[in-house]
Amino acid sequence: AQSVTQLGSHVSVSEGALVLLRCNYSSSVPPYLFWYVQYPNQGLQLLLKYTSAATLVKGINGFEAEFKKSETSFHLTKPSAHMSDAAEYFCAVSDGGSQGNLIFGKGTKLSVKP
Amino acid sequence: EAQVTQNPRYLITVTGKKLTVTCSQNMNHEYMSWYRQDPGLGLRQIYYSMNVEVTDKGDVPEGYKVSRKEKRNFPLILESPSPNQTSLYFCASSTPTGGLDEQYFGPGTRLTVT
Repeated sequence: AQSVTQLGSHVSVSEGALVLLRCNYSSSVPPYLFWYVQYPNQGLQLLLKYTSAATLVKGINGFEAEFKKSETSFHLTKPSAHMSDAAEYFCAVSDGGSQGNLIFGKGTKLSVKP
Repeated sequence: EAQVTQNPRYLITVTGKKLTVTCSQNMNHEYMSWYRQDPGLGLRQIYYSMNVEVTDKGDVPEGYKVSRKEKRNFPLILESPSPNQTSLYFCASSTPTGGLDEQYFGPGTRLTVT
């Protein structure tokens, strides 16, 4: 069965600093991995996804994530945080089966200090 | 505009009073799903539907019902709501291409059961 662990329920960075949000997955089959962002009082929006092509995936708003099979990780990074990046971020894994159901991590709330 | 809509956005009700949360999508997606979001628990899947008249349980289906009579609509029914169903609910839709595609989320319905 697939699962996702997000390390750190809250992360705080200063504006302009590196953003690193950690995600480790467990999957018995080659996984499809996703990062979603949730801004306050809104639904989830896809940031990026890994579907077995390039291991370094670039997403929207300057975010990227690297799939590392040896570490079973899919950490999300952004070189320079902006105030508008403050949101909650969810890592998710799909088993890639016909259902395509997503298993979500518990989320990491990112705060950006001026 | 491609979107998933949910109604109502906010609902306060009392224990035992049946309610329905509607979900509609205009993207002709086959796959639709309901999640609940609780602090510290992330998103957990309640029910999903692969197509019209095809529904299945997710991780936390107890106390909920769904139906899929039309492709665009996927209502969530609480026959006898209880306080532990107080939560933020999201509907999502996608094309069922083996988990490769992103899910599009509605804006959420915040339900309080007293």
